[in-house]
Amino acid sequence: SQTIHQWPATLVQPVGSPLSLECTVEGTSNPNLYWYRQAAGRGLQLLFYSVGIGQISSEVPQNLSASRPQDRQFILSSKKLLLSDSGFYLCAWNLGQGYNEQYFGPGTRLTVT
Amino acid sequence: GNSVTQMEGPVTLSEEAFLTINCTYTATGYPSLFWYVQYPGEGLQLLLKATKADDKGSNKGFEATYRKETTSFHLEKGSVQVSDSAVYFCALHTGTASKLTFGTGTRLQVTL
Repeated sequence: SQTIHQWPATLVQPVGSPLSLECTVEGTSNPNLYWYRQAAGRGLQLLFYSVGIGQISSEVPQNLSASRPQDRQFILSSKKLLLSDSGFYLCAWNLGQGYNEQYFGPGTRLTVT
Repeated sequence: GNSVTQMEGPVTLSEEAFLTINCTYTATGYPSLFWYVQYPGEGLQLLLKATKADDKGSNKGFEATYRKETTSFHLEKGSVQVSDSAVYFCALHTGTASKLTFGTGTRLQVTL
């Protein structure tokens, strides 16, 4: 069966510091991968998605970037964090074109101080 | 473009009460529709789905029917439990890269 991991689970970082969040999927090949942000009390905002290694699409202009160095690894990064980057970051995967549902990881709670 | 509108929360119910959470959508074509549930501090879990008009998705006592004529996918449960307390998200599948468009979520709180 497939599983998705995210780490760290929680992170407190000062403004201006770098960020690296990691997501890995096990038990499947060539999944579509997604990064979402959920601000406190708000819905989900799609940040990036990837349909293959090295292929990244950005949904909103922002202070963040994403990379997919391996088939089942998806990384969310920032060079300098802003207070507004605080939130709950969720990674999700899906089997690819023709498959509809997405499956979510446990999330990373990021607090920028 | 595609959008999903959910009823504002929070919804507070007593245990064993009937639940309805409204969801309407705007989309081109006939998207697949989903309900996801998020328990405190966790990621989202797929609760149920429907892929075409008049389909009924069901799971764990929850049901939702894909109504094309009213562009709705309302979530219902006949008798809620305290353990159902969570945030519920309605979503539609847009096709491109299998992306999903989510509603803003509805918080449900069930009390004894």
